[in-house]
Amino acid sequence: DGGITQSPKYLFRKEGQNVTLSCEQNLNHDAMYWYRQDPGQGLRLIYYSQIVNDFQKGDIAEGYSVSREKKESFPLTVTSAQKNPTAFYLCASSAMWGMDEQYFGPGTRLTVT
Amino acid sequence: AQKVTQAQTEISVVEKEDVTLDCVYETRDTTYYLFWYKQPPSGELVFLIRRNSFDEQNEISGRYSWNFQKSTSSFNFTITASQVVDSAVYFCALSTGANSKLTFGKGITLSVRP
Repeated sequence: DGGITQSPKYLFRKEGQNVTLSCEQNLNHDAMYWYRQDPGQGLRLIYYSQIVNDFQKGDIAEGYSVSREKKESFPLTVTSAQKNPTAFYLCASSAMWGMDEQYFGPGTRLTVT
Repeated sequence: AQKVTQAQTEISVVEKEDVTLDCVYETRDTTYYLFWYKQPPSGELVFLIRRNSFDEQNEISGRYSWNFQKSTSSFNFTITASQVVDSAVYFCALSTGANSKLTFGKGITLSVRP
């Protein structure tokens, strides 16, 4: 079964701790994305990667970091510098960067107290 | 700059009613793609449709249909004979040639009551 997996589904952390969210895809897609969703809001792009070993900042990259060492994996680290990290985080991938449709994982709900 | 406006925030209908979700977009590019996604309570976004700017033909897929009108910069989504399983948040999104990033609207929460 091809798809995108994100783990864990729910994550709780104390303020001041870094936390890494996992995203894996077996669709053989080149491009991968991280979005943040807040209640009543659309999705906002945090980082994206057009191809392995490359990534670019999205609209709200401050306080986040990523890596793309393998084609199938695109982990997101929420650092202590992120002022308001509690949110729903969605990972997505598309066959190519550009205007291809993106396919999404189930999301990780992060709560920082 | 590109923008997607979904003016309706919440819609509630009774099962079997038809419902139309509105989407208005803004872009100066002549080449662009429009998308609709469904987000059920589980949270995962499900891709529904992609339409390019050069194809204004309306599309029908089962109970779903889409009406693309460049003259009004709209890409509306109609669900015919709605069902409880259609209850979800629906997002319209835009991607342009100059800026391939997806820009999402704020979403419309659709509740279908039995």
